[in-house]
Amino acid sequence: GAVVSQHPSRVICKSGTSVKIECRSLDFQATTMFWYRQFPKQSLMLMATSNEGSKATYEQGVEKDKFLINHASLTLSTLTVTSAHPEDSSFYICSARELAGSSRKQETQYFGPGTRLLVL
Amino acid sequence: AQSVTQLDSHVSVSEGTPVLLRCNYSSSYSPSLFWYVQHPNKGLQLLLKYTSAATLVKGINGFEAEFKKSETSFHLTKPSAHMSDAAEYFCVVSGTDRGSTLGRLYFGRGTQLTVWP
Repeated sequence: GAVVSQHPSRVICKSGTSVKIECRSLDFQATTMFWYRQFPKQSLMLMATSNEGSKATYEQGVEKDKFLINHASLTLSTLTVTSAHPEDSSFYICSARELAGSSRKQETQYFGPGTRLLVL
Repeated sequence: AQSVTQLDSHVSVSEGTPVLLRCNYSSSYSPSLFWYVQHPNKGLQLLLKYTSAATLVKGINGFEAEFKKSETSFHLTKPSAHMSDAAEYFCVVSGTDRGSTLGRLYFGRGTQLTVWP
C-alpha cells in the first residue's frame, strides 16, 4: 500500500520555541493531507485539512496562527507549532489521501507513523 | 451528518478464540467505511475498507467486516485471535454527505483489544 512518512518521530523542545513536523507521501501524490492530534487513550482529533497550493482549512477551536500548515508540493505538508507550550505536548499524526479512479468512494487515507512532541 | 459509535471501549479475548469488535455508523448517504489498527506509539494502519462493492470485506491479517445497511453496522471479526492482534482499533466513516469536507474521516472512540495467552 501507499506509504506516508513523518519527521521527526519524536521531538523535545523548550517552551517558547517553534517545532516543524514534516509529512511526506513517498510513492503517491496527495492533493490533500490531514493533520490530527491524539491525546493518550483517546481517538484522533482532526486539526486541519491541508490542500496543495492553497490555504489550510482549520477545525473549530484550532488556532491557525499557532499551528501553521504549508502544503507546497503534492508530496509534502508541514505543520509548525509556533511558540510551543507544555499543553501542546501530544502525538501528532498526518494522513494523505490517495485517489484511485475517478470516484470519491475509491479514496483511501494513509497515515504517517506519528510525531511525539514534548514541550518542557 | 456522519458519526461512528464503537460500542465497546475494551475487548479481551484468549488467544485462538474469535474476535468481534462492534461498530455502528450514521450517514445520510451511502458511506465509505474503514477499520484502522494502531499499535502503541504508532500511526494507523488500514485493515480494510468498504466502498459499496461486496458487503463482506476481507482485510489483512485475517480480519474481515460485514456491511449491514439495515442495521447500520460494520462489525470487525477474526476467527482466531493472535497475541500480535493486541492493539487499538478504530472504526471510521468517510465524509461523503453533501457539504462535508471531501475525504474527511469521522472516527469512533476506539476499542482496545487485549489478547490473553
